[in-house]
Amino acid sequence: EDQVTQSPEALRLQEGESSSLNCSYTVSGLRGLFWYRQDPGKGPEFLFTLYSAGEEKEKERLKATLTKKESFLHITAPKPEDSATYLCAVRANTGNQFYFGTGTSLTVIP
Amino acid sequence: GAGVSQSPSNKVTEKGKDVELRCDPISGHTALYWYRQSLGQGLEFLIYFQGNSAPDKSGLPSDRFSAERTGGSVSTLTIQRTQQEDSAVYLCASSLTLAGGQTQYFGPGTRLLVL
Repeated sequence: EDQVTQSPEALRLQEGESSSLNCSYTVSGLRGLFWYRQDPGKGPEFLFTLYSAGEEKEKERLKATLTKKESFLHITAPKPEDSATYLCAVRANTGNQFYFGTGTSLTVIP
Repeated sequence: GAGVSQSPSNKVTEKGKDVELRCDPISGHTALYWYRQSLGQGLEFLIYFQGNSAPDKSGLPSDRFSAERTGGSVSTLTIQRTQQEDSAVYLCASSLTLAGGQTQYFGPGTRLLVL
């Protein structure tokens, strides 16, 4: 069964304290892995798409990496405005559904 | 350009009433998805549309749920005889096509509360 597990569920960081969020997946052939940011009361906002193991993408303080079984979202020197829930989703080679994890709620304390 | 829009942003209804939720996708996007997000849960796939093809309704939780997409653009999700467990945020997303890896862009959601 295709599924996505994110950890930790919640993470509190001091401003400037770097860390990583994990997304583990089991899927019958990966077509794409997606990271989103969701602020309270809003829809998910697209961050990155990764397609194959070894791929990396960066945007400001965020860097996403992909292996055959998991993806990491690295946050370098976070700021309070990085506080949000980060969602991971995968799409398999078979079927057309996207499978979402339950997210990691990140709080960055000034 | 305009993003995905949804209306209403909030809806409060009484148990047993019908509700309609609307989604306007990004212009030119042929694929449209509906999801449900309950507190503490991941996004639950409901239905998707691709162009003029028959929709994939495999995620609809019961026959009280239905959706239409008119003219390949605007979509309406209808919930009949609402129940309290239908309370959730309903999110719509669109993408250019349904081809592999195409990114979904989400609307702000409709927050539904069934009393």
